[in-house]
Amino acid sequence: KQEVTQIPAALSVPEGENLVLNCSFTDSAIYNLQWFRQDPGKGLTSLLLIQSSQREQTSGRLNASLDKSSGRSTLYIAASQPGDSATYLCAVPTGFQKLVFGTGTRLLVSP
Amino acid sequence: DTAVSQTPKYLVTQMGNDKSIKCEQNLGHDTMYWYKQDSKKFLKIMFSYNNKELIINETVPNRFSPKSPDKAHLNLHINSLELGDSAVYFCASSTRSSGREETQYFGPGTRLLVL
Repeated sequence: KQEVTQIPAALSVPEGENLVLNCSFTDSAIYNLQWFRQDPGKGLTSLLLIQSSQREQTSGRLNASLDKSSGRSTLYIAASQPGDSATYLCAVPTGFQKLVFGTGTRLLVSP
Repeated sequence: DTAVSQTPKYLVTQMGNDKSIKCEQNLGHDTMYWYKQDSKKFLKIMFSYNNKELIINETVPNRFSPKSPDKAHLNLHINSLELGDSAVYFCASSTRSSGREETQYFGPGTRLLVL
């Protein structure tokens, strides 16, 4: 059974810092991994999707890496801004498009 | 133009009632989902429909009955609501192209409170 864990559970940083969010999964037989962002009281927004054949994906200040063999992914956020404050979730599919979500990291970036 | 929409956004009801949540996507996707996010913010899949056919049913009580009248709609009907059903319910949709799974797009959520 696939289990997805994220650390830290919560993170508070001053504006401008570079930061790393971690995601680990128990079953390395995945074909992609996704990072989502959830703002309070809102739905999820897809940030990045990394196919199993890729090692990283970049979008603006975000860079996600994937190491299938070790069951890990990291989301790197450069030059953090208050607008980055949200909960970040990683998810891996098991079976037919069935996503298993991580426990989430609540990020607070203070001005 | 909302990609995945849900109604209602908020739902407060008494225990024992029956209620429905509606979901519509205008992305042309062929797969739709219902997720439940509990009070601890843990998000878990409930159902998945592909081309109006049930694909995933994650040991959800049979008080929950999804219905997909067409590929663009997936509604969730809940009978005999219980206190433990209080949660945020998210609808999502996706498609599959070139044999690869594509990202899922989520609706804004329906906040259900059972009193």
